[in-house]
Amino acid sequence: ETGVTQTPRHLVMGMTNKKSLKCEQHLGHNAMYWYKQSAKKPLELMFVYNFKEQTENNSVPSRFSPECPNSSHLFLHLHTLQPEDSALYLCASSQVIGQGAGNTIYFGEGSWLTVV
Amino acid sequence: AQTVTQSQPEMSVQEAETVTLSCTYDTSESDYYLFWYKQPPSRQMILVIRQEAYKQQNATENRFSVNFQKAAKSFSLKISDSQLGDAAMYFCALTYNYKLTFGKGTLLTVNP
Repeated sequence: ETGVTQTPRHLVMGMTNKKSLKCEQHLGHNAMYWYKQSAKKPLELMFVYNFKEQTENNSVPSRFSPECPNSSHLFLHLHTLQPEDSALYLCASSQVIGQGAGNTIYFGEGSWLTVV
Repeated sequence: AQTVTQSQPEMSVQEAETVTLSCTYDTSESDYYLFWYKQPPSRQMILVIRQEAYKQQNATENRFSVNFQKAAKSFSLKISDSQLGDAAMYFCALTYNYKLTFGKGTLLTVNP
């Protein structure tokens, strides 16, 4: 238990569906992240939020829409996905973001997404 | 740009033996941090050990220790007294500011 909880753990959706992934952290952190882990690829940073403000969008297609209503919650809204979007989506959090900051990033257990 | 290279896609070790996983990296920054994460079959990404670049002393965490060679940009992980539960994918990672860059991972098998 790392203090970062993701739901659902498994999701199967059609290409025309709209679904959301949820992440909640209980660590008092102020930064939250979405990562994508595909087979045979390094982890890819998708989005970063710092104090609820988006600070990074790593050229992610618009069919992925993040939302961060507060520092403890992060959502990833999914619509009109493609089969190649099937992957493990990892949420993470860290204390703060700052120049030279090396705060440890803690991960959730991930949400397995299958697009059919 | 930051890069992290793990040159060993797979490694194996006998239970109770010692194994070393290699990692090299490149960054133009001086104030960065290095991590080893472990990802077992459950896919939970678990922090194993962390090293601040400004510290010369190698980090140690129970059976896990690192050999940090800053000039050579090398950051290897040594696992002593290997246990069956150590079997996992191990990722080396570097962070400057908030950007965490991962290597491709080394799959460690522990043989009984």
